[in-house]
Amino acid sequence: NAGVMQNPRHLVRRRGQEARLRCSPMKGHSHVYWYRQLPEEGLKFMVYLQKENIIDESGMPKERFSAEFPKEGPSILRIQQVVRGDSAAYFCASSPRDGLRNEQFFGPGTRLTVL
Amino acid sequence: GDSVTQMEGPVTLSEEAFLTINCTYTATGYPSLFWYVQYPGEGLQLLLKATKADDKGSNKGFEATYRKETTSFHLEKGSVQVSDSAVYFCALSDQVNTGFQKLVFGTGTRLLVSP
Repeated sequence: NAGVMQNPRHLVRRRGQEARLRCSPMKGHSHVYWYRQLPEEGLKFMVYLQKENIIDESGMPKERFSAEFPKEGPSILRIQQVVRGDSAAYFCASSPRDGLRNEQFFGPGTRLTVL
Repeated sequence: GDSVTQMEGPVTLSEEAFLTINCTYTATGYPSLFWYVQYPGEGLQLLLKATKADDKGSNKGFEATYRKETTSFHLEKGSVQVSDSAVYFCALSDQVNTGFQKLVFGTGTRLLVSP
């Protein structure tokens, strides 16, 4: 059973471009969580999704950021008109269900660099 | 809001030395506590967890005890190996208040073990 896949692993964008980060959860997992790690900081929660639904997006910046988890295909974190402050590592995690008994399995992350 | 503070790294040890990585937390409720480990180029992996006061989590020779009186969850290992070199993250989740397992992370502590 393959682990959580994220691509690309490294992404370079110029200011004003769009960044699309993909997360393929583990087989059988229908819950996805996105976290961001800014330089010298811990991971911070961004958004929690189930198939076709955003459950909680309290950690997402109000503008330029959006996330989806369609019925088919990977979860996508989209950042429009990137700025230098968006440079960070973006991690997604998946679980079969939410809750303490269900471990979140993390992907290797996408490192976004904005020039 | 909830937060986690852990000691800054890097922590540099010789093989077979005793390891302690300090972690303290602030939470309004009664959170569950976790230690995650990240090896180079990989995603975070759950190392151990504890869900209530005085619980001890343990795995692979690592252990940590949930101390409510000192709001701490220090990670210990009696004899480290070179293969333990990694970044260790302390985290909490207060599902009763947030409604889902939203992880709050510390900044991570890098451990370097030399032969």
